[in-house]
Amino acid sequence: DAKTTQPTSMDCAEGRAANLPCNHSTISGNEYVYWYRQIHSQGPQYIIHGLKNNETNEMASLIITEDRKSSTLILPHATLRDTAVYYCIVRVENNAGNMLTFGGGTRLMVKP
Amino acid sequence: DVKVTQSSRYLVKRTGEKVFLECVQDMDHENMFWYRQDPGLGLRLIYFSYDVKMKEKGDIPEGYSVSREKKERFSLILESASTNQTSMYLCASSTPGSYSGNTIYFGEGSWLTVV
Repeated sequence: DAKTTQPTSMDCAEGRAANLPCNHSTISGNEYVYWYRQIHSQGPQYIIHGLKNNETNEMASLIITEDRKSSTLILPHATLRDTAVYYCIVRVENNAGNMLTFGGGTRLMVKP
Repeated sequence: DVKVTQSSRYLVKRTGEKVFLECVQDMDHENMFWYRQDPGLGLRLIYFSYDVKMKEKGDIPEGYSVSREKKERFSLILESASTNQTSMYLCASSTPGSYSGNTIYFGEGSWLTVV
């Protein structure tokens, strides 16, 4: 399994962009990068995923480096509600289906 | 809107009790998962199922069993609850498929306290 490395915590001012980095230097060619977040006491929420190209949706943008060894999740205008733990995950697959292995994540604190 | 529903949000059970955690998804997903989440340990996979009546052990299956009698429902069973099973339990579902980048959707979680 390709493992990921994320900073333990980050702060961001409300209204500014939050840039959350992730290293996944052992990622293999067919593995996707996923981002989830978990607000306190709730289940994880899917944010975005990508393979090679940069991706954008209504929640965030995902920038993947050309060598795919790292990526950055961008929340363009962070709000207090974006305070959560953000997980960067490389998708693992087995014969039966697919699983996700979650690490420690980055605790993002959005401050007024 | 995708929906994974866990039957109980908060439970308190006694040591030795049999505990059932129920999960239902309305997305017709083949794959379903049970995780537990503990401070400092992240999410750990207990069991998963890729089809009705099929199950596979995850990373920490000891002390747990599962049941998948219908496609939409996946139950986690603690045959004899112990205090070290106090945790938040998360159910999830997804579609199968290689390299498709399909996502996993989670329920809201069930907080179990064993006393």
